[in-house]
Amino acid sequence: VQLVESGGGLVQPGGSLRLSCAASGFTFSSYWMTWVRQAPGKGLEWVANIKQDGSEKNYVDSVKGRFTISRDNAKNSLYLQMNSLRAEDTAVYYCARDGTVRGIIAYFYYMDAWGKGTTVTVSS
Amino acid sequence: DIQMTQSPSSLSASVGDRVTITCRASQTISSNLNWYQQKAGKAPNLLIYVASSLQSGVPSRFSGSGSGTDFTLTISSLQPEDFATYYCQQSYSNPRTFGQGTKVEIK
Repeated sequence: VQLVESGGGLVQPGGSLRLSCAASGFTFSSYWMTWVRQAPGKGLEWVANIKQDGSEKNYVDSVKGRFTISRDNAKNSLYLQMNSLRAEDTAVYYCARDGTVRGIIAYFYYMDAWGKGTTVTVSS
Repeated sequence: DIQMTQSPSSLSASVGDRVTITCRASQTISSNLNWYQQKAGKAPNLLIYVASSLQSGVPSRFSGSGSGTDFTLTISSLQPEDFATYYCQQSYSNPRTFGQGTKVEIK
């Protein structure tokens, strides 16, 4: 299992950036996928996730309306389009695979594979 | 959103010590609780899922317990490679929030 993020860099406030995550070693289309970020010296923040077929997407409030998560199962790739970037979006962005185990009445989810991250810096 | 609160925020311990980290959810999350370890400059690594299930390849000195709102991560005998930051995370509902982290340092 391998996840490789790319697309990070330095961008001015108000600018845009598109992150990519290339997946290999597993059946990408069978898994929910997630983006997690970590600001410098801070803890982990869950950002967004997307269902296997892309039909369901969820976001943390701080990025709603500005970030869009998407995927291309034919290319085994996950994306995060980030618009109207702010200084507080500065972070290392990780993509992660959502492992699943079936419980009695529901599924349990956990992030069992992570990329090494790509750094986004929002600054003028 | 569900708030996750870890305690302590940091601790100092010696090799061989038994270490316990607690995590409390702001509402019941059943057993939808995961624990991750993160070493400096590295990506997080899954340790425990569904509150008490040990991820493949993780040493048996790590264990998790709890359900509802209160959870615990225990390291039975701290090893040099265990000095890191530990995060709990709920997967009961979106957004799947993390605790603020517990940094385990060498005493």
